[in-house]
Amino acid sequence: TQLLEQSPQFLSIQEGENLTVYCNSSSVFSSLQWYRQEPGEGPVLLVTVVTGGEVKKLKRLTFQFGDARKDSSLHITAAQPGDTGLYLCAGASQGAQKLVFGQGTRLTINP
Amino acid sequence: GAVVSQHPSWVICKSGTSVKIECRSLDFQATTMFWYRQFPKQSLMLMATSNEGSKATYEQGVEKDKFLINHASLTLSTLTVTSAHPEDSSFYICTVRSGHEQYFGPGTRLTVT
Repeated sequence: TQLLEQSPQFLSIQEGENLTVYCNSSSVFSSLQWYRQEPGEGPVLLVTVVTGGEVKKLKRLTFQFGDARKDSSLHITAAQPGDTGLYLCAGASQGAQKLVFGQGTRLTINP
Repeated sequence: GAVVSQHPSWVICKSGTSVKIECRSLDFQATTMFWYRQFPKQSLMLMATSNEGSKATYEQGVEKDKFLINHASLTLSTLTVTSAHPEDSSFYICTVRSGHEQYFGPGTRLTVT
């Protein structure tokens, strides 16, 4: 069974600080997605990474896919209260339709 | 990305009744949709894979006779929670897969009293 270990599960920091969320597995994924979810809403896709070592930037968010395609990280620079939410990583294996989800990271940015 | 809608967005029902939730892919023909449930402050749990024109594939531990899935067209899948109980209260979300990515509906909050 493939598993994605996401850490930390909870993070509360002050506005302006930087943070990194990690997503690790012993399995290789053909692609990995990061989602953000607000309370009472469905997750919204932030980014998809497919190539080992790939780095993608979305404003203050930087996503990296590990060289071996077993892990990924999300780094937020100068966090703002609007970044508060549940961040989920999800991986897809080659040929598999299903996504494997991490446990999620509940991020709170305090003004 | 694909645009996915769900109806209703929230529903309250009495214990023992059945509730149907609709998931529509508005701009994408989806041969496969996925149904998840999410308990408060937890991650998503895959319940089943809905296949257009054939039977759904259920994850281990999910009762197929309780959670009936019908995928009659390329744009619509329905999940019916039969004989609902309070422990079925949850947030139900459907997704459509396009390439590597899955696009989520807005979710349906079910409360069983």
